[in-house]
Amino acid sequence: DGGITQSPKYLFRKEGQNVTLSCEQNLNHDAMYWYRQDPGQGLRLIYYSQIVNDFQKGDIAEGYSVSREKKESFPLTVTSAQKNPTAFYLCASRPGTAVYNQPQHFGDGTRLSIL
Amino acid sequence: GNSVTQMEGPVTLSEEAFLTINCTYTATGYPSLFWYVQYPGEGLQLLLKATKADDKGSNKGFEATYRKETTSFHLEKGSVQVSDSAVYFCALLPPYGGATNKLIFGTGTLLAVQP
Repeated sequence: DGGITQSPKYLFRKEGQNVTLSCEQNLNHDAMYWYRQDPGQGLRLIYYSQIVNDFQKGDIAEGYSVSREKKESFPLTVTSAQKNPTAFYLCASRPGTAVYNQPQHFGDGTRLSIL
Repeated sequence: GNSVTQMEGPVTLSEEAFLTINCTYTATGYPSLFWYVQYPGEGLQLLLKATKADDKGSNKGFEATYRKETTSFHLEKGSVQVSDSAVYFCALLPPYGGATNKLIFGTGTLLAVQP
């Protein structure tokens, strides 16, 4: 079955360390997204990419970086500049801009904690 | 601009009670509307959608009708079960995806169903 795979499910980061969260999709979707969810709160957009080799900052991009070298992959790096990284991170994808009313599909998330 | 407003939770119901979770939106033109559900520790799953005025989305006993005149997309279920306990998110996709096909999410409503 097609879907979005996020790994790992749980991740721990030491102070001053960069960590990378993986997101892979086999849905042949053009667009991919990263969200951050804090306890009891909604989703905030970190970065998104509408096509390979292109991405844009979302609402809370500071302290994060991404790459989009392949259509199926959109890894997120949480850098040491992100001072409060503890959160639940969700990756999503959807068909490209030509299919304008289609929903986003989500992975199962990665929970990041600080040691 | 575009925005989504959901009723605040938590909503606590007894099994077999009737559920309504209110969602209203602000948008120019005719956006597409979605309800997502998030079970504990998991990602978001699309529950239902409506892409034009007066459409009714339905799935797993849940329904929501796209009301242009009241700019609303309230979620309803006639008889809730303990397994329906989750966080429910209302979301909006601007007409034709807008410039970026970004979803606009509400803050989520926690539903707790007691046996």
